[in-house]
Amino acid sequence: EAQVTQNPRYLITVTGKKLTVTCSQNMNHEYMSWYRQDPGLGLRQIYYSMNVEVTDKGDVPEGYKVSRKEKRNFPLILESPSPNQTSLYFCASSLLLRTANTEAFFGQGTRLTVV
Amino acid sequence: AQSVSQHNHHVILSEAASLELGCNYSYGGTVNLFWYVQYPGQHLQLLLKYFSGDPLVKGIKGFEAEFIKSKFSFNLRKPSVQWSDTAEYFCAVGRNSGGYQKVTFGTGTKLQVIP
Repeated sequence: EAQVTQNPRYLITVTGKKLTVTCSQNMNHEYMSWYRQDPGLGLRQIYYSMNVEVTDKGDVPEGYKVSRKEKRNFPLILESPSPNQTSLYFCASSLLLRTANTEAFFGQGTRLTVV
Repeated sequence: AQSVSQHNHHVILSEAASLELGCNYSYGGTVNLFWYVQYPGQHLQLLLKYFSGDPLVKGIKGFEAEFIKSKFSFNLRKPSVQWSDTAEYFCAVGRNSGGYQKVTFGTGTKLQVIP
């Protein structure tokens, strides 16, 4: 079954404690991205990656890091989480535009609370 | 700034009522258009998409959307809503940016259907 898998689904942490949210897709998609969803703001892109070792900032990258060492995985790293990073996070993957018109497939989401 | 606007933040309808959710975007040039649905506690799922061709697009669960290029709009419609349509709906616009598809989401519309 084609899917994007995120872990964990729920996470409560304290300010400053480094954490990683994992994302894995099994569709051999080149393009992966991270979004945060906040009430009234919709989904905002944090980082994206067009292929292995190719990553770039989205619209709200501050306080986040990513890596893309393998095509299927795209972890989101919060080196020093702060309460304003409390949010619902989604990972998504898709083919690249130049390959085909394409839609994004989303993971189940990770609800992060930073206290 | 270029953006995707969803005019209604919260819509309440009775079952069997007709639905129309507005979506306007401000990008010039070729765009891909999407509507995603997010049921309570779940991830985003594709409802329908427009890449080219017939501007009236039919999606899953009886939803349809019409692309009106002159109005930069892609409104979502359903003739008769059901209680199970209660969800949040996101319009998204994809455009070519350096060889990949950059997707921008609207802020979402929460639909509540009353039995």
